[in-house]
Amino acid sequence: QVQLQQSGTELVKPASSVKISCKASGYTFTSNYMHWIRQQPGNGLEWIGWIYPGNGNTKYNQKFDGKATLTADKSSSTAYMQLSSLTSEDSAVYFCAGGWFFDFWGPGTMVTVSS
Amino acid sequence: DVQMTQSPSYLAASPGESVSISCKASKSISNNLAWYQEKPGKANKLLIHSGSTLQSGTPSRFSGSGSGTDFTLTIRSLESEDFAVYYCQQYNEYPLTFGSGTKLEIK
Repeated sequence: QVQLQQSGTELVKPASSVKISCKASGYTFTSNYMHWIRQQPGNGLEWIGWIYPGNGNTKYNQKFDGKATLTADKSSSTAYMQLSSLTSEDSAVYFCAGGWFFDFWGPGTMVTVSS
Repeated sequence: DVQMTQSPSYLAASPGESVSISCKASKSISNNLAWYQEKPGKANKLLIHSGSTLQSGTPSRFSGSGSGTDFTLTIRSLESEDFAVYYCQQYNEYPLTFGSGTKLEIK
């Protein structure tokens, strides 16, 4: 069955970076978009961007330009998102979601930015 | 950005009842709209895309309608498993945007 496994909770310091992962199984990783979505505490969902693992193409929400960098490793069917220059505003749950319509979702990775 | 306005934010209903959730776009998005369900401890689930096309596995008591700027998610004969948060999302243009969500609670 289709599954997206995300890396665990992160507690990171302000101004640092973090890289979270999303390992895909049960479908053709290289033929499906992988989206990343942010959910801040008590807030709704914000689309960060997508990567197409087959060719490495990416598309970002301008709001996250310079904040998020999306990559993918075809050999391990794993997508990554690196977040840089972290502030308390980046504390959130981050989801990966595969497919054009966000067909399937990971469970989310909680990132807390605190000194 | 296309703003997606969902209403109501909260909705209380009893099992067996029917409910409707509205989603309005700030500009026309054709039928490029999806609906998602969020439940605690479970992965979010795509219910409907293209405004009214049920995703495989979505029960037939769910239906979507609308095009342009006004969309509706209707759930007939509510079952206990339907009490959740629902989001609409447009994919007509970038950035992709979501509604703020509707929490459906048991009355």
